[in-house]
This record gives sequence, C-alpha cells and structure tokens, in this order.
Amino acid sequence: QSALTQPASVSGSPGQSITISCTGTSSDVGGYNSVSWYQQHPGKAPKLMIYEVTNRPSGVSNRFSGSKSGNTASLTISGLQAEDESDYYCSLYRSGSTPVVFGGGTKLTVL
Amino acid sequence: EVQLVESGGGLVQPGGSLRLSCAASGFTFSSYWMSWFRQAPEKGLEWVANINLDDTEKYYVDSVRGRFTISRDNAKNSLYLQMNSLRTEDTAVYYCARKRPTYIDYWGQGILVTVSS
Repeated sequence: QSALTQPASVSGSPGQSITISCTGTSSDVGGYNSVSWYQQHPGKAPKLMIYEVTNRPSGVSNRFSGSKSGNTASLTISGLQAEDESDYYCSLYRSGSTPVVFGGGTKLTVL
Repeated sequence: EVQLVESGGGLVQPGGSLRLSCAASGFTFSSYWMSWFRQAPEKGLEWVANINLDDTEKYYVDSVRGRFTISRDNAKNSLYLQMNSLRTEDTAVYYCARKRPTYIDYWGQGILVTVSS
C-alpha cells in the first residue's frame, strides 16, 4: 500500500484537460511543499514534470501544471495529446526515516 | 547533457550478491547527492538509498538496511549499490538518480535485477 493515494487510471480525449490527484495527510502532503510529479512511459525511466508543487522544469510543456489544496496535490494536463498517454507518479520528500514516498501511480489513457 | 548509465544487473540466486554501478556524465558529480530507486515488475517506484556528497552520510529504506550499501567514487564519477543477501522480493529495475533537495531531476535508464533460483 502506497503512502500517497492516486487514482489507478484516468482518461480523456485529445484537446481536453484532465487532473490527477495525489492524496496524503496533514503529516505529509499537507505539511510539505515538496510534491513532485513524474511521467513514465512503458519500459522507460521516469521524467520530472513538476517539482515543489507548482514548478515546471525547463523543457516541460506548459500544458502541465501542479497545485495543492490541503492534503491533496494535483497534476493538470491541458490540451491532451496522444504522447501524454503514460503512467504518472506523485512523490513527496519529507523528514524522517523514509525521506521519499510515492503514490501508486496513475495510468493516463488518451482516447 | 546529464547522463546516468547503470550496469551490473542480471540473474542471481536468493542469498547471492550483486554490485550495481552508475556512470555519471554531463555534470559535476561531486556536487550532488545521489540516490538509488527500484521498481518491481508491474509495480510503482520505491526509494532505496541516498548518499551525500563525500560518502559520509547514507540512508536506506528499512527493507534493505543491513543488506545493501550505497557508495560513490567522485574521482570516477560513479555511484554504486552493493546488494548482499538478495531476496526474491528484491527483483526489480534499479534506477540511479541525481537528487535535488526535494526532488529527483535526472534518472538513469534502469537495470534489471532478477533474484530467482
């Protein structure tokens, strides 16, 4: 069981917007601004898409955005494209014996 | 261009040992903390270990502490993971990664470790 909860799957049509949630508690997501999001295509390495809740690395499309409200962080992808079909993982860095925890991953299907 | 290339994976019997290596290039290796992660077949990502700049601080997930050792050689721009007393549940793709304070910004392509008799 993952420390952070993500929906197993989401889907959307090309051009639409979708949001993937990442839910924790006040002790993790709610207490830290260190949520990041990774995209992972099958058989490939993860790729950083969002860091520290809202920041987008250089080279990542501005169609990807992040936010947080209370104990839930979210990744929004606007203007869905076929290439966005992938697995997405949220992650949190925190203090303690396990400094990094992940969500279980969400499979995005572009219809 | 940042590159992280893992090597040393393969098939090993339960109780056996394996040493993973990660060759880093395209950045000043000695200026970054580094990490190992793993991903079991059809499963999610799991953090395994962190190491600081000069090999003096090391941190491990509970399930590998005492069996795995992370290390680095800054002169060779290399990161290592010595894995002893391997178990079937250690079967996974292992990723080398460059750590920032609150996220990972670069990952290697991964290397498969299979523990089976």
